[in-house]
Amino acid sequence: GQNIDQPTEMTATEGAIVQINCTYQTSGFNGLFWYQQHAGEAPTFLSYNVLDGLEEKGRFSSFLSRSKGYSYLLLKELQMKDSASYLCAVRNDYKLSFGAGTTVTVRA
Amino acid sequence: EAGVTQFPSHSVIEKGQTVTLRCDPISGHDNLYWYRRVMGKEIKFLLHFVKESKQDESGMPNNRFLAERTGGTYSTLKVQPAELEDSGVYFCASSQEIAANTGELFFGEGSRLTVL
Repeated sequence: GQNIDQPTEMTATEGAIVQINCTYQTSGFNGLFWYQQHAGEAPTFLSYNVLDGLEEKGRFSSFLSRSKGYSYLLLKELQMKDSASYLCAVRNDYKLSFGAGTTVTVRA
Repeated sequence: EAGVTQFPSHSVIEKGQTVTLRCDPISGHDNLYWYRRVMGKEIKFLLHFVKESKQDESGMPNNRFLAERTGGTYSTLKVQPAELEDSGVYFCASSQEIAANTGELFFGEGSRLTVL
């Protein structure tokens, strides 16, 4: 079975840093994705980790530890437009299994 | 380049009726997926096409759901007859070769289905 956990909600101030944790227990692993989804819109790709370590992409970074079944998404220099749902998804072969998503609210 | 498009964006039907959702993937993407998110739950896999062939339909809830991809281009997902628990957002996604890159899935905006 697949079990992917992430916090339901997080709130942070504009300009701050927020870290969204994701823990997973899955029957297979071919990589971990982070997606951003604004209300009523399509999930959009943020990052992909298949090896342990940190991947940095502008203001967003993602970390993976396969031995611990753990990942985090780090959002720096938060902007109001970063208010959205962030989805952690584990790929097993060609399927993605999603967590329920973390709603991040950025306050001025 | 056009993204993944889905139609309709929202459909409201009564229990027992039929609804057909359509997905147009990104041109050239052989892989097409259907996912579903019911209220308060996570997005879940329904099925996967490679071109016109169903590779995996293990996520389809029951035989009231029928997906097709004739000609390997657009896909339809039909629910017949619809039940209350079928309400949710149905996402379509497409990708190129799975092994060649990150296997990034490009998602559509989803079709929201409300069954009354």
